[in-house]
Formats: sequence, structure tokens, C-alpha cells
Amino acid sequence: GESVGLHLPTLSVQEGDNSIINCAYSNSASDYFIWYKQESGKGPQFIIDIRSNMDKRQGQRVTVLLNKTVKHLSLQIAATQPGDSAVYFCAEFSNDYKLSFGAGTTVTVRA
Amino acid sequence: EPEVTQTPSHQVTQMGQEVILRCVPISNHLYFYWYRQILGQKVEFLVSFYNNEISEKSEIFDDQFSVERPDGSNFTLKIRSTKLEDSAMYFCASTLVTGATEAFFGQGTRLTVV
Repeated sequence: GESVGLHLPTLSVQEGDNSIINCAYSNSASDYFIWYKQESGKGPQFIIDIRSNMDKRQGQRVTVLLNKTVKHLSLQIAATQPGDSAVYFCAEFSNDYKLSFGAGTTVTVRA
Repeated sequence: EPEVTQTPSHQVTQMGQEVILRCVPISNHLYFYWYRQILGQKVEFLVSFYNNEISEKSEIFDDQFSVERPDGSNFTLKIRSTKLEDSAMYFCASTLVTGATEAFFGQGTRLTVV
């Protein structure tokens, strides 16, 4: 059943500001949590993942935080750019090797 | 950069007709997936495929659906008798190894059932 979801369906952010996208999950048995970006007319694109035994992972301009105590996952985008406008999905990757996606947050970057 | 390619990009079909959606995964990948996304909704898992057989399938993937890897490069999703509610974007994805979280997705096929 459904076990991954996002707090807010939309987020509007000023160009240059930092963005924080949140996600709540309920399946504690997931091995990995992943963030995907989906631009209009395209398939989901992998951004970053975090293993369930970690609490923070950094990439280029992105940071994922995992709080297992409250089953919360967040994606932070530093210095948001117009190209960051997209729908962001959190997903969990379970030991049966399938991705279960949340509902998505639409991020709009204002110039 | 290697990519997953899907054809056609848009398919319109009449209710009750059979459709075949085609995908060419990344050449050295071993695990293949189909997902679908109804307009404005989340991406939903349909089926995973490895070593010429289905490894996992969801409740959506009923007897009307089938997958096949007819040759060394193509991976197809067949819907035998389409229903209006099958209208969605269908995404193919592939991964190199088992347990790889970085699945590469194709651009999708938009299926419209009328």
C-alpha cells in the first residue's frame, strides 16, 4: 500500500533562495530513499539517494536529510535556479527492487 | 550519455484494442521496469523484469498486461484490451545491477484510450 508521501503539493521559491521539499514515509523497512526530479514532458530523473542507515547525504547543490525517528525525508536545494523548476518525487526503494513514489511537489522558481 | 528510449511518444487507441509500447533500455543494463503515471498523479510501479522473467508486479499489472524482451535490445509492454482508465504516461526504466537505486527512465509514451 501507499507508504510514501509529500507534505505540500506546490512550492514557490525566489531564484537564489534555498528550497526545502519535505516527504513523510511510513515503511521503516525501506533500504533506500531517493529523490527524483521530473521536468515537463520527461521521465523522472535521479537526483540523490540516501541509505536507511544514514541521516545526511550531500550532492552538488542538494542535500538529503533522513530523520528515522519521525520518518521524515527532505531535499534541500541551495541557490535555486530556474532550471530547478520541476516536480520532485520522493521514493522508497525496498528489498523487492521496486521504487514506490510519493505524490510529488511542484517547485516553481520565481525570477 | 546512454539513455532509455521509448516509442511511440504518443499513442491513441480505441477502447478494446491491443497496444504495444516499446522500450530500448540502456545496453548493458540487466533489470527493466515499467511504471505508469496518470495525469497529475504520482508514478506507479507496474512490473520489474530480469533474466527473461517477471520478478515483481503490482496489483495494476493484471492479466491484460504482459511484458516481453523479444530480442537483445527491446523491452515491450502489451495491453491486450485497453480501457479508458489505461490512459496515462507509461515509463520504461532500467538499472545495471540488482539493488541499484539510480534507475534510468525513458521519456515516456503517452497512451490515450478513446
